[in-house]
Amino acid sequence: DIQMTQSPSSLSASVGDRVTITCRASQSISSYLNWYQQKPGKAPKLLIYAASSLQSGVPSRFSGSGSGTDFTLTISSLQPEDFATYYCQQSYSTPRSITFGQGTRLEIK
Amino acid sequence: QLQLQESGPGLVKPSETLSLTCTVSGGSISSSSYYWGWIRQPPGKGLEWIGSIYYSGSTYYNPSLKSRVTISVDTSKNQFSLKLSSVTAADTAVYYCARRAVASDYWGQGTLVTVSS
Repeated sequence: DIQMTQSPSSLSASVGDRVTITCRASQSISSYLNWYQQKPGKAPKLLIYAASSLQSGVPSRFSGSGSGTDFTLTISSLQPEDFATYYCQQSYSTPRSITFGQGTRLEIK
Repeated sequence: QLQLQESGPGLVKPSETLSLTCTVSGGSISSSSYYWGWIRQPPGKGLEWIGSIYYSGSTYYNPSLKSRVTISVDTSKNQFSLKLSSVTAADTAVYYCARRAVASDYWGQGTLVTVSS
């Protein structure tokens, strides 16, 4: 099974900051990497698919990059509504297997 | 606008079978472009993929749950369902249904299932 490891597990930042979250796969997954945002009590929301493609309706301050085993999610200028938990997910082995990272909690400093 | 809605008991006794249904509206579950899946999230923890199904009935399960999971589809009702047998307290979680192609772009709101006697 492909394991996904996110870092950091939690992060404190201020409105306006540039923030980067990383995700590492235990083997190469090409660009089959997705990013989700989850707010308390809500379902996850798709932000980025295929490593760098912005989902429709998602603000352009969100961007993704990477391929192979190392990926990043960047928020260029944090807004108050961006404080949430972020998950990466590999879809390389879909539909047979899908795995999520453990999550990164982004908190207000 | 596509919508997914989970339904089923919110309380299940240990050793019994958890049963949930996801009703899809605003689109057809028979689309060849998508898989339909279940994901769960224990309180305060991360997301765990349970399994997926194609409209034809092909199923794919998380190996860690495979022996206890059955996912089925009813295209006539535009629904798909989850059964998880022999539940324990460790199966207490919010259960989500979702549509996926490259990624899961539509999710249900989630339903909390508590395993307790």
